[in-house]
Formats: sequence, C-alpha cells, structure tokens
Amino acid sequence: GENVEQHPSTLSVQEGDSAVIKCTYSDSASNYFPWYKQELGKRPQLIIDIRSNVGEKKDQRIAVTLNKTAKHFSLHITETQPEDSAVYFCAAAGGGNKLTFGTGTQLKVEL
Amino acid sequence: EAQVTQNPRYLITVTGKKLTVTCSQNMNHEYMSWYRQDPGLGLRQIYYSMNVEVTDKGDVPEGYKVSRKEKRNFPLILESPSPNQTSLYFCASSSLVTDRGNSPLHFGNGTRLTVT
Repeated sequence: GENVEQHPSTLSVQEGDSAVIKCTYSDSASNYFPWYKQELGKRPQLIIDIRSNVGEKKDQRIAVTLNKTAKHFSLHITETQPEDSAVYFCAAAGGGNKLTFGTGTQLKVEL
Repeated sequence: EAQVTQNPRYLITVTGKKLTVTCSQNMNHEYMSWYRQDPGLGLRQIYYSMNVEVTDKGDVPEGYKVSRKEKRNFPLILESPSPNQTSLYFCASSSLVTDRGNSPLHFGNGTRLTVT
C-alpha cells in the first residue's frame, strides 16, 4: 500500500518568514495530493490540493509543488502569520479516494 | 449547511463495554471513512465505505466494526473496547462522482474516546 513520509515533525518560524513542509510517497499510481490544516482541538480542513497532471498550484500565500518523478510534494507558506500556527498533514491517494496521511507537522509562527 | 456530524464529542467508558460512535453527512456523499488520530502517528484509516452496503478495511481495522445501511450514516462500533483504543476519532466523507477524480474529504468535529 501507499506510504507517506512527512518532514519536519515540528517547525518554528518568525512571523513574516516562509515555511516549507515536505512529503514523499511510495505508490507511483497516486494522483491526488491534498494538504490539511488542523488547529488545536479542531477537525482537519483542506487548505489546498494538487493533482498529478499539475506541477504547481498557488492560492494566495499558500503553494504546493509536485515532483512526480521523485515522488515528492511540498507545501510552501509565505509571509507567515500567527494564525498559520497549526498542525499540517499531507496525504496521497490513487483511485477510490483512499487517502494515506503523513504523520503531521506542528508549525509554530513566533512573533 | 453542508456538514459531517459525529456524536458524541467526548466519551469515557470501561474496558469491554460495547459502544457506538455515530456519523452522519448531509451532502449525499458516496464515500465515508473513519480515522483515528494518535500523537506522532497522524491520521490512520480504520474502515471506509464506497457506497451503501459496501465497506472495506483500512489500515487499522482490528477491534472495530462499521455498517453502511443508509447513504448518510456510517456508525463506528467497538464491540469490546480496550485501553489501546483510547484515541481521537474522525469521520469523513467525500463525493466519488466527479469528473476530476478524487474529491476533498470533509471531516466531522471528532470524538475523543477514553477507555479505562
């Protein structure tokens, strides 16, 4: 089955700096890569996703890049703000919506 | 409002006492799934369902049962709970009918279960 590795497990940045979270996946058939943000005590919520026919996608301060050859995908957050502090999960899926999640990254944005 | 509703939010029980966590969605989604979240382990899939009367094991199904008698409901059943099932549980749903392939998962608010 699919295996998703996520790094780092914790990330601390200064407000206004950029944050990058990286994931690798094992199944070359995977074609859907969402990112979820989970604030403390709340449910995971989708923030951005990318499909395998696209190399990069951007939404305001958030961008995701995908390298299918290397089986890597990354989340980039620019101009970080305190409200970006949360746990971020990457995930990968092939057909049928079976998502395999990474182990999460605790992002802390310090003032 | 489109949502996935789980109940209860918090549950404390004792070893061996059967319990059910309910999950309901109002978005007419075909796909429903249960996850457990444990520190350092991320979200691990327990069971999923592609449609009514169609269920399958995820990555950590031992000790759990599910049923999908109606499209909107997907209860999680612990026949004989044990302390290692103490965890945060999330139900999620998504549509399978999309011309773009996979579609985003919508999560419920979670159920924090403690088994003593």
